[in-house]
Parts: sequence; C-alpha cells; structure tokens
Amino acid sequence: DQQVKQNSPSLSVQEGRISILNCDYTNSMFDYFLWYKKYPAEGPTFLISISSIKDKNEDGRFTVFLNKSAKHLSLHIVPSQPGDSAVYFCAASDGQNFVFGPGTRLSVLP
Amino acid sequence: EAGVVQSPRYKIIEKKQPVAFWCNPISGHNTLYWYLQNLGQGPELLIRYENEEAVDDSQLPKDRFSAERLKGVDSTLKIQPAELGDSAVYLCASRRLAGESTDTQYFGPGTRLTVL
Repeated sequence: DQQVKQNSPSLSVQEGRISILNCDYTNSMFDYFLWYKKYPAEGPTFLISISSIKDKNEDGRFTVFLNKSAKHLSLHIVPSQPGDSAVYFCAASDGQNFVFGPGTRLSVLP
Repeated sequence: EAGVVQSPRYKIIEKKQPVAFWCNPISGHNTLYWYLQNLGQGPELLIRYENEEAVDDSQLPKDRFSAERLKGVDSTLKIQPAELGDSAVYLCASRRLAGESTDTQYFGPGTRLTVL
C-alpha cells in the first residue's frame, strides 16, 4: 500500500521549458511535504518543502504547489536546465517519519 | 556546517558474512534515521532514533539487522548474516528535532552494499 505515489517514472523536457513533477498521497495525517533531488552515487538532497497550511512555496526556479483536498502536490521548475537532470523524490511527513515516493527521473535536453 | 557523514561508501561481501555501516549526523541533530533504498524505489525507513532511543524500529528485520546509537550521536547499523536480497543502498539522515512538523531531514551519501 503506497502512501506516496509518483505515477510518472520518467519525464523529458527541453531546456528552458517548464518541468512539472507530480505526487499524490493517501494519508491525511501528513502535514509537511518535501521534494528531494538525487544524482547517481549521491544521497538525496533537499530541494524545497511546503507546510500543509500553505498552498504554494517558491524558491528561485522551484515552486511547489499543494492541493490538500485532492491530496496532490506538484513541483514546477522554470526554466529547466540540463543540470536539473536527476531523480526527484516526493516525501510526506506526519511530523515524526517521512514516507517517500518511488521517484521521477527528469531529463532536461539541451 | 558539515553534512551527514557515512562510511564506507561501498561494501562488497559474500552472503552469510556480517557487515556494519557507520553514520555521523549533522552536529546538533537529535533525530537520526536509517533507510534502505532499492534500485528504482524511494528510501524506506528501517529505524528512527531520538537521541539514543530507538523510537521506531517496526520496519527493522530484527532477526538479522541491529542498530545502535550510543551517546546519542554516531550510529551503527549491522547486518548478520547478510543475504543476497540485502544488496541495496543504506542511507542515513538526520533532523534537528522530531515533532517539529516543518523540520527538514538531511541525508548522507549512502553506503552501497553488494552481497555476492
């Protein structure tokens, strides 16, 4: 029973365009959501987060949107750059533990 | 500020052998997590420590896995004996405080274990 789902295993985007990565969750006890980026042979790196009291959080080229009623969040990257090519994990927390999705591999094509 | 440190980065052993992984969390971080990550999947929690206490080890296969966090700082995860299916990346993460909803956890580089 996957509590956090990322239904797109991979995504390809042209450099300069927008990348949209999606995540769905099932547990209504989750109140904090994060995105991590992972390069090969490295640990996940924290990218951006959002609390359940907000519906949007922005940090430079990265914006996370949260739709609590739909139990859905998305990560927007604008403009996408080749260095953004990595695996992106969505994570949800109930304040104690973190549950991760299976990841989406983003490829930004020059 | 130094990040989470893990060693070794890579380990190759034969099945039935023991293996141990070490983690040093970010200074001042009271909460420490060990995760298992299989290829193509997200990290899965094995155990969570708050200071020196293991507060959630429900996902730790206790017949062969053990962990400790003496003095509430460094932690060691051990597998004895290792099985072929234990081949994976073992990640350590730390967090300043548990229970603070918006407190982020930070990961180390991981240890890639290969069991032959």
